[in-house]
Amino acid sequence: QKEVEQDPGPLSVPEGAIVSLNCTYSNSAFQYFMWYRQYSRKGPELLMYTYSSGNKEDGRFTAQVDKSSKYISLFIRDSQPSDSATYLCAMSAYNNNDMRFGAGTRLTVKP
Amino acid sequence: NAGVTQTPKFRVLKTGQSMTLLCAQDMNHEYMYWYRQDPGMGLRLIHYSVGEGTTAKGEVPDGYNVSRLKKQNFLLGLESAAPSQTSVYFCAIGYGGVEQFFGPGTRLTVL
Repeated sequence: QKEVEQDPGPLSVPEGAIVSLNCTYSNSAFQYFMWYRQYSRKGPELLMYTYSSGNKEDGRFTAQVDKSSKYISLFIRDSQPSDSATYLCAMSAYNNNDMRFGAGTRLTVKP
Repeated sequence: NAGVTQTPKFRVLKTGQSMTLLCAQDMNHEYMYWYRQDPGMGLRLIHYSVGEGTTAKGEVPDGYNVSRLKKQNFLLGLESAAPSQTSVYFCAIGYGGVEQFFGPGTRLTVL
């Protein structure tokens, strides 16, 4: 079993929809929870990160962490065609350089 | 991907050949990383460095060697390439296992 599980999709939604992306994990030592966005044939870029449990909002993006369930989510409100990309969740333990990534979910937002 | 460059962008090798991938940064970060990305597997850490002259193993180090002789450069070597090393390789710089900035990637095919 992988340490981080992520549904690879693909996920296709109409413009303006609310998108929910999720990951589960098994390592209780993870303290930092990240979401990276990767456009086709590009390197990943950090969208946002959360330390421990709770919610974090940044514009149209909201990240949620539920450590009791070992479950994290990324919500995208008012989705745009420019949001079409692969979204990777990533996690790491405190003071640890080894980030563990999910396989990524490919999202397409149709105009 | 500004600040992190990778050379070459593409390469085709035959089984048993050797090659070196170069990562260069102009952002003066101490920490540098090498990942591989495979379909359905996400990004996996190969090796990393926390400063000039230091290296450490990541999740999948076998078959690879690295060197960090200068702070700006991080080299990834394949001594005897195998088809299982066909992948997209990403270099990253950053602040530990949370915020990392990725290069554009090197697509390697081993025949």
